[in-house]
Amino acid sequence: GAGVSQSPRYKVTKRGQDVTLRCDPISSHATLYWYQQALGQGPEFLTYFNYEAQPDKSGLPSDRFSAERPEGSISTLTIQRTEQRDSAMYRCASSLATVRTYEQYFGPGTRLTVT
Amino acid sequence: AQTVTQSQPEMSVQEAETVTLSCTYDTSENNYYLFWYKQPPSRQMILVIRQEAYKQQNATENRFSVNFQKAAKSFSLKISDSQLGDTAMYFCAFMSYTSGTYKYIFGTGTRLKVLA
Repeated sequence: GAGVSQSPRYKVTKRGQDVTLRCDPISSHATLYWYQQALGQGPEFLTYFNYEAQPDKSGLPSDRFSAERPEGSISTLTIQRTEQRDSAMYRCASSLATVRTYEQYFGPGTRLTVT
Repeated sequence: AQTVTQSQPEMSVQEAETVTLSCTYDTSENNYYLFWYKQPPSRQMILVIRQEAYKQQNATENRFSVNFQKAAKSFSLKISDSQLGDTAMYFCAFMSYTSGTYKYIFGTGTRLKVLA
């Protein structure tokens, strides 16, 4: 596609439910990143993938958060047993590679509200 | 740990004037990249400008330029001939990649409003 897409754009869920967010990166991009952005704050790094490998999960806030990219293209971010503090914008970005070029192209984000 | 600080939560500038957004960072690494991203209202983030730490020359992109002071760990963004379309949230970001560990840290942002 022409850019990074994310779905759904908005998600409202009840506390305790599981949610899965989807990111479809630019097709030629090897690297995919997930960020959490609270209102009025900058994005905070969660994790990234180099193709299907996930070298760094250090930003995931708890073991309720997990991400996958099984075929090296589309990625999902799953939050289990959601809590109100998980409410945020979740942004996905992709880049050609982590070496030589670090410009990230961001998707529109998924706004998650946990009630 | 790396930190990125944007000390100006909000700024405004008259159309056609020049404005400078400040950013300071803290790191012990020698090789890293710095970025300014723009996030217009209800739109996605886009890269404005990038600076490699090993380059002494300040990056420029049309009306956008940076003042990179490596020793002072300062990375300010200058917008010349401001346009109404420059109204947005601006984020400064630090990036390093070492031995498979990736760090991409954003500041809290500066909300810029360009006034007609």
